[in-house]
Amino acid sequence: SQTIHQWPATLVQPVGSPLSLECTVEGTSNPNLYWYRQAAGRGLQLLFYSVGIGQISSEVPQNLSASRPQDRQFILSSKKLLLSDSGFYLCAWSVGPLKKPGARSEQYFGPGTRLTVT
Amino acid sequence: AQKITQTQPGMFVQEKEAVTLDCTYDTSDQSYGLFWYKQPSSGEMIFLIYQGSYDEQNATEGRYSLNFQKARKSANLVISASQLGDSAMYFCAMREGYYNQGGKLIFGQGTELSVKP
Repeated sequence: SQTIHQWPATLVQPVGSPLSLECTVEGTSNPNLYWYRQAAGRGLQLLFYSVGIGQISSEVPQNLSASRPQDRQFILSSKKLLLSDSGFYLCAWSVGPLKKPGARSEQYFGPGTRLTVT
Repeated sequence: AQKITQTQPGMFVQEKEAVTLDCTYDTSDQSYGLFWYKQPSSGEMIFLIYQGSYDEQNATEGRYSLNFQKARKSANLVISASQLGDSAMYFCAMREGYYNQGGKLIFGQGTELSVKP
C-alpha cells in the first residue's frame, strides 16, 4: 500500500531563517506531487505541483520554492522566511498522468507540518 | 472568481441524523471532477468521495453520498446517520483543466461540522 510521509511535524522558525520541508511517498512510482498551505480556519492553497523529476510548476509568486530531486521526494524550501509564511503545510500525491481532467485520481495527503514563523 | 463555494462556515447535527453540506462550483469545462475531503482536528486530509462530470449516477461511499446537480452546478455532500467522529472540517474540491496540468485541485473554504450527542 502507498504511504506518504512529511517531516518535521511542527517547526518554529525566526523571520529570515531558511526552511526545508520534506515529503516522501512509498509504494507507488511516478506520482504527481503537490504542496499546499492552509492558513488557520481557511481552505487549502496550492503552492506547487510536480508531474515528474525536476518538473515544478508554481501556482503563486512568493519566497518559497520546491524541488523534486527523486521520483518520490518533494521538498519545499525558503531562503528567508516571512511572518506570512506561517501555516499548515500539506504534501499530497496522486496517480499520474491523468487521462482526462475529470479523472478520479484523488489526492492523498500527508500528516502535514505546522510552521510558526516568529 | 471563486471556483468553489461552500456557504456554510459551521453546522450542527444531532447524532444519528443526516446532514447535507453544500457546495457549488463554477467551471466552463465539460470534463471535471468533484471531490470531498474531511479534515479532523489532527489536520490530515481524508478523501471521502468523488463525482465525475459525466457520471449519471450520484456517487456513494458508505454513509457518504454526493447529491450532484449538474445544471445547478452543485455537489452537496450528504452524511447519513451522523456519528460523533464525523465532527470535522469538510472541504469540497474540483479538478478542471488539462490533464498535463498535474491534476491540481481547487478547494472551497470548508464547512465545520459538529455532531451533538
